[in-house]
Amino acid sequence: EIVLTQSPGTLSLSPGERATVSCRASQSVTNNNLAWYQQQPGQAPRLLIFGASSRASGIPDRFSGSGSGTDFTLTITRLEPEDFAVYYCQQYDDSLIYTFGQGTKLEIK
Amino acid sequence: EVRLVQSGAEVKKPGESLKISCQGFGYSFAADWIGWVRQKPGKGLEWMGIIYPDDSDTRYSPSFQGQVTISADKSISTAYLQWSSLKASDSAIYYCARDEYAMDVWGQGTTVTV
Repeated sequence: EIVLTQSPGTLSLSPGERATVSCRASQSVTNNNLAWYQQQPGQAPRLLIFGASSRASGIPDRFSGSGSGTDFTLTITRLEPEDFAVYYCQQYDDSLIYTFGQGTKLEIK
Repeated sequence: EVRLVQSGAEVKKPGESLKISCQGFGYSFAADWIGWVRQKPGKGLEWMGIIYPDDSDTRYSPSFQGQVTISADKSISTAYLQWSSLKASDSAIYYCARDEYAMDVWGQGTTVTV
């Protein structure tokens, strides 16, 4: 089972700043099958990025994903107030056994 | 509109059985995988398993294998998550999600309190 480790655990930034969240896998992620989700308090998660770098439908272009192999990054340029939330990475391998990272809380500084 | 609608909150006693549901609307339910995710209070997301409703091919996280059963009835576009004997540690919110190219559509969640 692939273990995903996100860093930092908490990120304190101001609106308008740039956020960078890292996700490191314990082994190479098959076909860059890496997704990012956003979860607001009291809500279900929302898919942001799939395939490491493809934005899901309706996701603003200030969200971007990059990386390959074992190192992946979610970048949010020009933070908006609604972007302060918890972010998770998830890998999905060919055997259809998925795992999530432990989450990164993006809070207002 | 593609959506998943989950069954309502449950309050159960330890040792009781439970089956919660997730019904799909607006798409070909049988043709996309459906996954289940647990979230304990104040904690992160845990992937539990996934099912392909068309043939009921099912995969489980090693952490949940033998602890829960995932099933589906494609004739009524519904997936299920069930326990035969609940424990207090099963208290959580359980989400279902369609998995077309990642978990792109989510249910509203079902809160289970044991």
